[in-house]
Amino acid sequence: QSALTQPASVSGSPGQSITISCTGTSSDVGGYNYVSWYQQHPGKVPKLIIYDVSNRPSGVSNRFSGSKSGNTASLTISGLQAEDEADYYCSSYTTSSALYVFGTGTKVTVL
Amino acid sequence: QVQLVQSGAEVKKPGSSVKVSCKASGGTFSSNAFTWVRQAPGQGLECMGGIIPMFGTANYAQKFQGRVTISADESTSTVYMELSSLRSEDTAVYYCARRIADSFDYWGQGTLVTVSS
Repeated sequence: QSALTQPASVSGSPGQSITISCTGTSSDVGGYNYVSWYQQHPGKVPKLIIYDVSNRPSGVSNRFSGSKSGNTASLTISGLQAEDEADYYCSSYTTSSALYVFGTGTKVTVL
Repeated sequence: QVQLVQSGAEVKKPGSSVKVSCKASGGTFSSNAFTWVRQAPGQGLECMGGIIPMFGTANYAQKFQGRVTISADESTSTVYMELSSLRSEDTAVYYCARRIADSFDYWGQGTLVTVSS
């Protein structure tokens, strides 16, 4: 099972909005609304920020939003803040293994 | 509030095995689903497999089939991941995570496994 494809890096200035893409296939991203997103700061544990494509867990800022079109899911961070600088990973259920596949990861830099 | 506490760091020789534990507290252990995810140094996240203790049967990512065994002990609310025939490429941080529906909401602190001769 190949990893989902994400851009290696995305950057933006404070206050701007950025979008991270996550491209898979009809066997994973395109086939199910089971895409989730994780934020990971250096040396820290991943944190769930979006589940089921566009839902935010309690306590997660509404500056984070998710969407999906076809085989590509997207995470948008609006009002970019210094604390948003981290690695971001998407994940999806996949029929290939009846398990979950992660994206390649995107490093977000706040300029 | 679910808490997952993993066992400590390990240093192993190539060809040996490692067994990492993950003790859960809070929630209903048996009906939860647990997944093991690993992260090699400077690399991304990789799903290894998962188990629902109530059902007992684990399923594994194809890449790890035959080398990994995931098990659960309901009496101690502990999930285990054993990886055999270790090689240097298995050096990574291994996480257990609780799966709720189709996402991972609680994670253990991670266990660094270093494979070195």
